[in-house]
Amino acid sequence: GNSVTQMEGPVTLSEEAFLTINCTYTATGYPSLFWYVQYPGEGLQLLLKATKADDKGSNKGFEATYRKETTSFHLEKGSVQVSDSAVYFCALSDPPSSSASKIIFGSGTRLSIRP
Amino acid sequence: EAGVAQSPRYKIIEKRQSVAFWCNPISGHATLYWYQQILGQGPKLLIQFQNNGVVDDSQLPKDRFSAERLKGVDSTLKIQPAKLEDSAVYLCASSFGLAGVMSTDTQYFGPGTRLTVL
Repeated sequence: GNSVTQMEGPVTLSEEAFLTINCTYTATGYPSLFWYVQYPGEGLQLLLKATKADDKGSNKGFEATYRKETTSFHLEKGSVQVSDSAVYFCALSDPPSSSASKIIFGSGTRLSIRP
Repeated sequence: EAGVAQSPRYKIIEKRQSVAFWCNPISGHATLYWYQQILGQGPKLLIQFQNNGVVDDSQLPKDRFSAERLKGVDSTLKIQPAKLEDSAVYLCASSFGLAGVMSTDTQYFGPGTRLTVL
């Protein structure tokens, strides 16, 4: 079945470092892809999304590009801040654009940023 | 705009007891979801409602889990009897769109209920 695989954490970086969190997916058809973020003590919230190949989602300085040829949706940020410390989930819609579409989540990557 | 509300935030019970969780979605949201998030894993969909009808409950362990969404607004999720492996965070989410129309529709999540089964 459809699935999402993301890099295991925890990932620890210094402030202003470059961030990449890898995410690859397995899916039939053309799913929409998402990154969700869970800040400490808060609920999950959508960070960004892309709905078709070569789309780039962006928000709060984070970016991810829908790469169909490599089935990837890696999350990047050029300069991380302490406030970016959170758990990040890659996800896809399954099955895409159907009457009972649901989101399948990866296992999450915990990011910690040192001042 | 008020977010998705859930209660209780924490619950500790012994195995074989029953427990119920409550969710109040964002006003006007047609679709409501219940997820189970086991520690170290991503959320897994248990059940999806559109208004007060079930769209997908294929991953709901129906021998012990039940859920309802009366009047298409609030929802309750019940576990009876609970097992040790039910220890998890139970997340409720809602989205504005109708299932099928908006596979890319944004889901808004509540803070979750952390259940510990001893």
